[in-house]
Amino acid sequence: DAGITQSPRHKVTETGTPVTLRCHQTENHRYMYWYRQDPGHGLRLIHYSYGVKDTDKGEVSDGYSVSRSKTEDFLLTLESATSSQTSVYFCAISVQGPPETQYFGPGTRLLVL
Amino acid sequence: AQSVTQLDSQVPVFEEAPVELRCNYSSSVSVYLFWYVQYPNQGLQLLLKYLSGSTLVESINGFEAEFNKSQTSFHLRKPSVHISDTAEYFCAVSDGRGKLIFGQGTELSVKP
Repeated sequence: DAGITQSPRHKVTETGTPVTLRCHQTENHRYMYWYRQDPGHGLRLIHYSYGVKDTDKGEVSDGYSVSRSKTEDFLLTLESATSSQTSVYFCAISVQGPPETQYFGPGTRLLVL
Repeated sequence: AQSVTQLDSQVPVFEEAPVELRCNYSSSVSVYLFWYVQYPNQGLQLLLKYLSGSTLVESINGFEAEFNKSQTSFHLRKPSVHISDTAEYFCAVSDGRGKLIFGQGTELSVKP
């Protein structure tokens, strides 16, 4: 157990509203990641962070922003949610990397109506 | 660019039968390879990994995978599956610079 929690675990929202998902870790790992999981696509990287205030884009970053003001928290924001952002979102941390071994949180199910 | 291909989206198998889940990758640099398992309605759990050394790696629950550099493969095997192995399995490759690339996943369904 890498001490990762995600909140909320489930959320239903409407198109056009902002949404923020939170990832919290208890062990001060430097690297944190946000992925989305969709059928037939596996997991795709949205954004990642390699330290406080240090973030970078992943494969599917359009429509998402992130912030990391503290080591333990990594926030993912959908500025204006769209139905195509309906997905399961996973946070991960990297232990002893690179080469990293990533450990995942329990996920957040987001439904955008 | 790196990529991962899991050759089977679904693998049905009977209990106690052997199983192989196939994974091929493409990379122009040294790679680190992982298998993750996702049980229904849960997050991903690390099953096993290849970083260096012996090309055959094992998990605590009887799975093994062999890194084959010439065939760019990292297939996952188990000689005898149980109902509890029913899950989705993901192969992933890292370039050692902070990112993982995942395959599309393989759903293993073990039937009694």
